[in-house]
Amino acid sequence: EVQLVESGGGLVQPGRSLRLSCAASGFSFDDYAMHWVRQAPGKGLEWVSGISWNSVTIAYADSVKGRFTISRDNAKKFLYLQMNSLRAEDTALYYCVKVILISRGAVAGSFDYWGQGTLVTVSS
Amino acid sequence: QFVLTQSPSASASLGASVKLTCTLSSGHSSYAIAWHQQQPEKGPRYLMKLNVDGSHSKGDGIPDRFSGSSSGTERYLTISSLQSEDEADYYCQTWGTDIVVFGGGTKLTVL
Repeated sequence: EVQLVESGGGLVQPGRSLRLSCAASGFSFDDYAMHWVRQAPGKGLEWVSGISWNSVTIAYADSVKGRFTISRDNAKKFLYLQMNSLRAEDTALYYCVKVILISRGAVAGSFDYWGQGTLVTVSS
Repeated sequence: QFVLTQSPSASASLGASVKLTCTLSSGHSSYAIAWHQQQPEKGPRYLMKLNVDGSHSKGDGIPDRFSGSSSGTERYLTISSLQSEDEADYYCQTWGTDIVVFGGGTKLTVL
């Protein structure tokens, strides 16, 4: 059974940093691209960032480019999101998402499994 | 600009069928999409990947009541024999080389 378990969320002041983690199990983690998607309270889904299986291809939404860094550890089966210079508008539930099997060099595709999310609140 | 457009809301009666629409922006008629369901207070759940020819592959455990179809820039999700648990937000998703796009979501009410 595929499981994605996020952690690391919490309350943080504007301008500070936070690192999210996602523990993956139930599938061959190093075969798949992975992504982060967020959902602000009462709002829709917003794509944040994605990373290919070998970390060679990485993509970011314009709203987080230059502030957030995605990474992965295939040996530990973990996905990470380092969030710096946080703003109030980054307040959201952050989901770890698996991509359906795609060509090895690609980063984007249909999402087929979602975690339950970890809540990040940016407020003074 | 790469955009997916969904109607904000839809409603249908218990036991009836409903067809939700996701429209790709001009110039993107060849793109596949995915449909995701988000029940109240829950995380999203993958329903299916829908190709431009209307073929689709569903996620684990998705009932036969859920089906997809395509026409031009429109991608559809049809839910038949509506049940109360189908009341949810439905999002379409597509992707390019280094970008992922979501539609704004459709809130489905089962009457």
